[in-house]
Amino acid sequence: NAGVTQTPKFRVLKTGQSMTLLCAQDMNHEYMYWYRQDPGMGLRLIHYSVGEGTTAKGEVPDGYNVSRLKKQNFLLGLESAAPSQTSVYFCASQGLAVYYEQYFGPGTRLTVT
Amino acid sequence: AQKVTQAQTEISVVEKEDVTLDCVYETRDTTYYLFWYKQPPSGELVFLIRRNSFDEQNEISGRYSWNFQKSTSSFNFTITASQVVDSAVYFCALSEVMNAGKSTFGDGTTLTVKP
Repeated sequence: NAGVTQTPKFRVLKTGQSMTLLCAQDMNHEYMYWYRQDPGMGLRLIHYSVGEGTTAKGEVPDGYNVSRLKKQNFLLGLESAAPSQTSVYFCASQGLAVYYEQYFGPGTRLTVT
Repeated sequence: AQKVTQAQTEISVVEKEDVTLDCVYETRDTTYYLFWYKQPPSGELVFLIRRNSFDEQNEISGRYSWNFQKSTSSFNFTITASQVVDSAVYFCALSEVMNAGKSTFGDGTTLTVKP
């Protein structure tokens, strides 16, 4: 099993460009998450999904959109990138119960110039 | 609202010292789960331990131990005889039954163990 994978691992964008980050999990998990991690600020939840076809806003959703068309995939989109979105993005998945831990992907380092 | 506070931003110790990482949480739920994750310099987050709100037994796993005290809303993590490989960012997290599917993470504590 690959666990949670993220594509791409690194990306540099110019202000105003768009891109999509792909997260895939092969553990049949219901819950999936997108976080961003900035220095000294821990993990901040952007959007999450509690099942295929459903998404919800997290703590810092502005400037991002998500889709969960297939259970195993969770896409994070930036329509018009801004320098403030320079960060490391982590995807995670979790089984269908509050006591399960989250499994994290390796992260995507995004730089917006 | 749920909240997790890790007051120690950075800790530096010398190898073989014991170190305790603090975690204080706030929740209105009576059933909840607490977690610790480790993020080594390689960047990937790894699950360490889970504790539910009804189980206040301390847990020991090798050099790691966890002290859960409901009375003080704390879930502290102690590393005994620290090693350089323990250098990492450690996150405490809280999941509530009433907010199933959404965890709250603390800001993390960066632990540096010097040889």
